[in-house]
Amino acid sequence: DIVLTQSPATLSLSPGERATLSCRASQSVGSYLAWYQQKPGQPHRLLIYDASNRATGIPARFSGSGSGTDFTLTISSLEPEDFAVYFCQQRGNWPDTFGQGTKLEIK
Amino acid sequence: QEQLQESGPGLVQPSETLSLTCTVSGGSISGHYWGWMRQPPGKALECIGYIYYSGSTNYNPSLKSRVTISVDTSKNQFSLKLNSVTAADTAVYYCARYGVRGSRYLWFDSWGQGALVTVSS
Repeated sequence: DIVLTQSPATLSLSPGERATLSCRASQSVGSYLAWYQQKPGQPHRLLIYDASNRATGIPARFSGSGSGTDFTLTISSLEPEDFAVYFCQQRGNWPDTFGQGTKLEIK
Repeated sequence: QEQLQESGPGLVQPSETLSLTCTVSGGSISGHYWGWMRQPPGKALECIGYIYYSGSTNYNPSLKSRVTISVDTSKNQFSLKLNSVTAADTAVYYCARYGVRGSRYLWFDSWGQGALVTVSS
């Protein structure tokens, strides 16, 4: 199975700052990678699919990039509601696999 | 707004069968693919498998021998059965809809809140 390694495990930033989250695959997944946001008590929220496409209703401050094995989720200017856990998912090879997550916390 | 809700026993005895149901409200189960995932404590999410509303399935090879996913369109529900469970199957179990069409694959756009299932005697 493809292993997705996310870094850092925890990222401490302040509102208004730029966040850069990484997801690295153990082998190429093409562009078949998504990013999700996880908050306590809420369903997971799809942010980005196919590496760089924003899902419906996702603010423009969220962007995704990368292909092959290296992917990045960027939040250009953090809003208070953005502090959450973010995880990636690949669908390039079955079975689908997920990263362990990056916790974005308020500094 | 479509909502998904997992339901089932929160405690299962070792060697028994884990059974969960996902009820879809605010939308139809027809026309979509639906998936089950789980997240053991402190670990990443794991894909268990998925089902099309017509009944065709695909399972994670690591769980295939123990898993059955089924669908009941009349009740707008789909279900998971995992047999011969051990403590390693203790996890939060999630159901989700593959609702966003990408260039080649579908992606999850609706998730349940998750249901904790503990395997213990």
